[in-house]
Amino acid sequence: DAKTTQPNSMESNEEEPVHLPCNHSTISGTDYIHWYRQLPSQGPEYVIHGLTSNVNNRMASLAIAEDRKSSTLILHRATLRDAAVYYCILPIQGAQKLVFGQGTRLTINP
Amino acid sequence: DTGVSQNPRHKITKRGQNVTFRCDPISEHNRLYWYRQTLGQGPEFLTYFQNEAQLEKSRLLSDRFSAERPKGSFSTLEIQRTEQGDSAMYLCASSLVHGTGGAGYTFGSGTRLTVV
Repeated sequence: DAKTTQPNSMESNEEEPVHLPCNHSTISGTDYIHWYRQLPSQGPEYVIHGLTSNVNNRMASLAIAEDRKSSTLILHRATLRDAAVYYCILPIQGAQKLVFGQGTRLTINP
Repeated sequence: DTGVSQNPRHKITKRGQNVTFRCDPISEHNRLYWYRQTLGQGPEFLTYFQNEAQLEKSRLLSDRFSAERPKGSFSTLEIQRTEQGDSAMYLCASSLVHGTGGAGYTFGSGTRLTVV
């Protein structure tokens, strides 16, 4: 899998937007960018994925740089329930498994 | 279908004992994965099944570990002669084959194993 680099931790305040960065300079043209998050005492859950265009869903938005070497997960209005570890993952095409890095631990202050 | 179910949620065992965990995936998912997660680390891949066939095993899966998925439905992960280093959260996930390779995995809440 292509390597990703994320900050170990980030902190934000409730009801403010949060931008979680991910660098993936070795990404290939066919690699999708996936984000999962893991709430305390839970298994990871799918958040969003994209290839080239920015993507939105009910949970978050994914902004992908034009050269695709980086991306940003955007939580538009963070709540306390968004406190989790966020993983940026680039499975190769037809990958048989997800490979997780350390992720970014997001703390939300009330 | 309420998602991926794992049992038990917690297991405490003495070193040297055998333990078995069960995973019930989402019924229409043909792929099932086992991961292990230790404190402060991301989940590490152990093995996966497509239907009843075990198609890949990680080097992390020593010969004390065995996984089965009879009839392509639920799966079991057995650890024989447990060691303290086996203490971890064991996560199960299921998915359909996806063109993107990474979307649509659904994880269970895990089984936390403590070996004393």
